[in-house]
Amino acid sequence: ILNVEQSPQSLHVQEGDSTNFTCSFPSSNFYALHWYRWETAKSPEALFVMTLNGDEKKKGRISATLNTKEGYSYLYIKGSQPEDSATYLCAFKDSNYQLIWGAGTKLIIKP
Amino acid sequence: DTAVSQTPKYLVTQMGNDKSIKCEQNLGHDTMYWYKQDSKKFLKIMFSYNNKELIINETVPNRFSPKSPDKAHLNLHINSLELGDSAVYFCASSPPPGYRDSYNSPLHFGNGTRLTVT
Repeated sequence: ILNVEQSPQSLHVQEGDSTNFTCSFPSSNFYALHWYRWETAKSPEALFVMTLNGDEKKKGRISATLNTKEGYSYLYIKGSQPEDSATYLCAFKDSNYQLIWGAGTKLIIKP
Repeated sequence: DTAVSQTPKYLVTQMGNDKSIKCEQNLGHDTMYWYKQDSKKFLKIMFSYNNKELIINETVPNRFSPKSPDKAHLNLHINSLELGDSAVYFCASSPPPGYRDSYNSPLHFGNGTRLTVT
């Protein structure tokens, strides 16, 4: 059974602080790792698709790293803003192209 | 110029009715999906079609039937609606597995259809 786990389940962060959370996935049959941002009452929007061990990607104040050998990815948010409040989903794509989703980390930014 | 569009956005209906949700994408993708956001807010895959052919069919009651008239459309028909079918349903699309762009391509989601069965 393939399992994708995200931690923590939820996170309260003071505006202006930086934060990070984790996505753990199987270390075998890796194809790609997706990160999505999902605001309440909206649809998930892609942040990053990461494919190579050691990959680091950045979009504004958000960045992500990837370690395929040990099966984890970190998402970092620098200087959190209220608009960063959302659920952050990761999804592991295996070599059969099957996409397995984590349950998400719900991030709440406190003003 | 919405990339993945679903209609309707809201659907309120009574138990036992039959209803459809439509999905269209203008991204030229070959692969389309239906996801259900369950009561715990998790995203669960229901179906995946690649160029009008069913490739994923998770354990979903056979009251749910996807129909793909062409690769730009994947509609979801639900027969004999039950209270437990109330959820938000998301359509999504992506390039097909193995396609040269699929390696780095994420899923593109529609805005969701909130189905309420009373």
